[in-house]
Amino acid sequence: KQEVTQIPAALSVPEGENLVLNCSFTDSAIYNLQWFRQDPGKGLTSLLLIQSSQREQTSGRLNASLDKSSGRSTLYIAASQPGDSATYLCAVFPSGTYKYIFGTGTRLKVLA
Amino acid sequence: EAGVTQSPTHLIKTRGQQATLRCSPISGHTSVYWYQQALGLGLQFLLWYDEGEERNRGNFPPRFSGRQFPNYSSELNVNALELEDSALYLCASSYRQAGVYGYTFGSGTRLTVV
Repeated sequence: KQEVTQIPAALSVPEGENLVLNCSFTDSAIYNLQWFRQDPGKGLTSLLLIQSSQREQTSGRLNASLDKSSGRSTLYIAASQPGDSATYLCAVFPSGTYKYIFGTGTRLKVLA
Repeated sequence: EAGVTQSPTHLIKTRGQQATLRCSPISGHTSVYWYQQALGLGLQFLLWYDEGEERNRGNFPPRFSGRQFPNYSSELNVNALELEDSALYLCASSYRQAGVYGYTFGSGTRLTVV
């Protein structure tokens, strides 16, 4: 059974820092991995989608990497800003299934 | 291109009543997924609809049901509401091959049962 873990559960950093959020999954047989952002009480916004054949994806200050063999993905945020404060969720789509499995998220606070 | 639209934004119901939540997917998407996110908890899978059919459901009682219309919009019905049904209900849409194209979520419906 696929399990997705995100560490740390919460993170507080000063503005301007570069930071890394971690996601690990137990079964490497996945179609893709998706990173989302969720603001309090709101829906999820897709940040990056990495196919199983890819190693990384970049969008602006965000870079996500995928190492299927070790069951890990990282989300790198460069030059963090207070507006980056949110909960970040990773989700994997296991091969042969029909839905994403979500991690419990990392709650990020960027201090001005 | 319009995103995934959910209505209403907020819904307040009394215990025992019925709630109806609606979701309009992105144009071209045929699959709709429903999730429940209770306060402080993770996303729990509720239902998956594709091409008008219920394809799978999560570990929820039968009083959680829904349907998908010919235009691929979807409705989630919760009967005999209980206090613990209070949660954020999220709808996501995708092409049939969600494993290739990923999910796009709506902004959610906050259901409060009093």
